[in-house]
Amino acid sequence: KQEVTQIPAALSVPEGENLVLNCSFTDSAIYNLQWFRQDPGKGLTSLLLIQSSQREQTSGRLNASLDKSSGRSTLYIAASQPGDSATYLCAETRRGGADGLTFGKGTHLIIQP
Amino acid sequence: NAGVMQNPRHLVRRRGQEARLRCSPMKGHSHVYWYRQLPEEGLKFMVYLQKENIIDESGMPKERFSAEFPKEGPSILRIQQVVRGDSAAYFCASSPPPENRTHPFFGSGTQLSVL
Repeated sequence: KQEVTQIPAALSVPEGENLVLNCSFTDSAIYNLQWFRQDPGKGLTSLLLIQSSQREQTSGRLNASLDKSSGRSTLYIAASQPGDSATYLCAETRRGGADGLTFGKGTHLIIQP
Repeated sequence: NAGVMQNPRHLVRRRGQEARLRCSPMKGHSHVYWYRQLPEEGLKFMVYLQKENIIDESGMPKERFSAEFPKEGPSILRIQQVVRGDSAAYFCASSPPPENRTHPFFGSGTQLSVL
């Protein structure tokens, strides 16, 4: 059974800090890993997707890495801003996306102005 | 190109009633996923459909829950005889066929409250 764990469950930091969110997974047959952002009362916004053959992806102030051998992924947020406050979810999928995503419970991030 | 549209945004039902949740996929997307997010829990996969076919329903409760994606019209998640434990946010995602290797796009969800 695939499991995805996210640590920490909640994080509060002052504006401007760099921070790292952690995600671990048990599935060695991972096909890709995806990071999402969820705002209260809204749907999920895909931030970064890392294929199993890749090591990392970058978009603006965000960088996500994938280490299949250790079963870990990290999301690095540089120069955090209050607008980054949200819940961040990581999810893994198998078999080319033909299966559903398996999500972690998320990290609730608050950036203090 | 509109995104994935879910309606209603909020749905209130009394115990024993039926709930019908609708999802219109993005244009050109032929595959739909339904997920449920219980309070303080992560999203859990329920069912994966393509038009007129259920591909994987391994995450859906065996009783009271059903899903369809007809040739025409939106995908429907139907919950019969709702109970308080069905209160949750239900999210739909759509994608092209998996061989396109495009990540799914999510709707804003339907918040179901059972009184």
